[in-house]
Amino acid sequence: EVQLVESGGGLVKPGGSLRLSCAASGFIFNNARMNWVRQAPGKGLEWVGRVKSKTDGGTTDYATPVRDRFTISRDDSKSTLYLQMNSLQIEDTAVYYCTTELGGYYFDSWGQGTLVAVSS
Amino acid sequence: DIQMTQSPSSLSTSVGDRVTITCRASQTIRYYLNWYQQKPGKAPNLLISAVSSLQSGVPSRFSGSGSGTDFTLTISNLQPEDFATYYCQQSFSSPYTFGQGTKLEIK
Repeated sequence: EVQLVESGGGLVKPGGSLRLSCAASGFIFNNARMNWVRQAPGKGLEWVGRVKSKTDGGTTDYATPVRDRFTISRDDSKSTLYLQMNSLQIEDTAVYYCTTELGGYYFDSWGQGTLVAVSS
Repeated sequence: DIQMTQSPSSLSTSVGDRVTITCRASQTIRYYLNWYQQKPGKAPNLLISAVSSLQSGVPSRFSGSGSGTDFTLTISNLQPEDFATYYCQQSFSSPYTFGQGTKLEIK
């Protein structure tokens, strides 16, 4: 059974940094494209970015609002996905989910999410 | 970026009804269109991938259709557990984008 467990969320001041982690199990992490998706309170879903598997190039893509501030990385030896968030803004307040792309170009498994609150 | 426009944004409906939600892409996305269901306080759940491919465990009252830029999610014989918010999402090109969501409410 696929399990994704996010951690690292919390309260941070504008301009601050935070690193989220997503511990994965139940599938071959090395082969998976992994994504972050966020949801601001009471709002819809917003894709944050993706990292491909190393065999697929290991490249990353980002949504425009977070490009140059957020960095996605992976540690295949630990089956863990990361999201380094710098220069945080109030608009980054959201629940952050990690998701898999295992079967194709869709998000087939989701974690429970971790809340990031940016406030002074 | 490809814009995804869903309609309606909310729908008041009853158990047993048939519901259709539409999703329009700002440019062709071929068949790279997925649908998710989200209940309050929970992570989204993949319902349908590649326009019409029902995920394992999803009831057959859910169906998807469309191509190019126009897509629909149909729920026939609405059940109490179907009252939720539904999102379409394109995976044709990065950045992936979602529709704004359609909330189904009980009439």
